[in-house]
Amino acid sequence: GAVVSQHPSWVICKSGTSVKIECRSLDFQATTMFWYRQFPKQSLMLMATSNEGSKATYEQGVEKDKFLINHASLTLSTLTVTSAHPEDSSFYICSASLLAGRQETQYFGPGTRLLVL
Amino acid sequence: AQSVTQLGSHVSVSEGALVLLRCNYSSSVPPYLFWYVQYPNQGLQLLLKYTTGATLVKGINGFEAEFKKSETSFHLTKPSAHMSDAAEYFCAVFSPGGADGLTFGKGTHLIIQP
Repeated sequence: GAVVSQHPSWVICKSGTSVKIECRSLDFQATTMFWYRQFPKQSLMLMATSNEGSKATYEQGVEKDKFLINHASLTLSTLTVTSAHPEDSSFYICSASLLAGRQETQYFGPGTRLLVL
Repeated sequence: AQSVTQLGSHVSVSEGALVLLRCNYSSSVPPYLFWYVQYPNQGLQLLLKYTTGATLVKGINGFEAEFKKSETSFHLTKPSAHMSDAAEYFCAVFSPGGADGLTFGKGTHLIIQP
């Protein structure tokens, strides 16, 4: 089956530094990748939609200059949290779309937990 | 550890018929449970969630789900299917206080037949 990986699974950083999270579709090419953020004890929030070779589409309220998304290939999207602050501490999940015929299926990564000190 | 099982990768119902999407979970603590819907070319949208309190929760678009602890289930239902309900549905579990974030099921593709 299709697998999506995220790296790293855990990251701890100092306030003011930048952190890059990778999302890879391991055995398929993803037309679209999504980035989600989960706040403590809450459900997921869609941050942005990423299509290969084009600029990401950000949801309302998400700062595009703070959360940089690069979708350089059909198997890799990266999320960079720039100048991270403690309020950015969260669980970040990506998903990748696999289009087979007319059916689109989502595959989720395992998530990355970010802790900003 | 927590896990989610969605029975049936595809469910097909006639327009106007009852929709039933099954979700079973495992969690070492009382869980929070969610149902998400995803339409083509769009991100996930929260349908409903159970955290505490009333075990029957109502969501958007006429959907509801019932948390049954004894059965470790959180099945999603809608009395009468509409063509616009055709989408991918994901069940997810979250264990409060645990180290894991959301764990999603593999999804169920709902097909509505005219």
